Amino acid sequence: AQKVTQAQTEISVVEKEDVTLDCVYETRDTTYYLFWYKQPPSGELVFLIRRNSFDEQNEISGRYSWNFQKSTSSFNFTITASQVVDSAVYFCALRGYSNDYKLSFGAGTTVTVRA
Amino acid sequence: DTAVSQTPKYLVTQMGNDKSIKCEQNLGHDTMYWYKQDSKKFLKIMFSYNNKELIINETVPNRFSPKSPDKAHLNLHINSLELGDSAVYFCASSQVGSEYGTYNEQFFGPGTRLTVL
Repeated sequence: AQKVTQAQTEISVVEKEDVTLDCVYETRDTTYYLFWYKQPPSGELVFLIRRNSFDEQNEISGRYSWNFQKSTSSFNFTITASQVVDSAVYFCALRGYSNDYKLSFGAGTTVTVRA
Repeated sequence: DTAVSQTPKYLVTQMGNDKSIKCEQNLGHDTMYWYKQDSKKFLKIMFSYNNKELIINETVPNRFSPKSPDKAHLNLHINSLELGDSAVYFCASSQVGSEYGTYNEQFFGPGTRLTVL
């Protein structure tokens, strides 16, 4: 069974502050893939970043960065210098290395960036 | 040139009716999915088709029937609609690779907001 937990329900920040979103996962697969998706108020789901289980190197892409720690089963996501357009619901998702390819999503964290 | 498209975007109907939601992807992917997002924003897989073959069928009432005429299309038909079916339904697609390390990230359509009155 796979499970994704996003303990933070809502986060509110002032523009230009950094925002870190927590994600903890559970899986029995030794190979798995982790993703972050963004759902802005307009409702679409936008793929942001990905990481696989055998690559723990953390990366930065523009204002986004992620911290993957296999030892603690965490895949945290940071938005640096937040902007109002970053206001959205952010979902962490997990896919195990199996034949069904389904994504298991966390409950989402609502980020509100105030001007 | 939308990658994953769904029609309609909004669907308002009466209880007991039958309705369909259409999904098309032009990404050349071989796998398509339907997800349901409830009022609390929780996303859950419903079905998945790989090369027109059903590979995921989660615990979904029989009133929901997916149909995949070809790799680029996955439609969702719902019979005898109930109030609890009100939700946003998302179609997604991905390219499922056999190579070790293939991410197969899924790309989502814009969603169909279904309201059952």
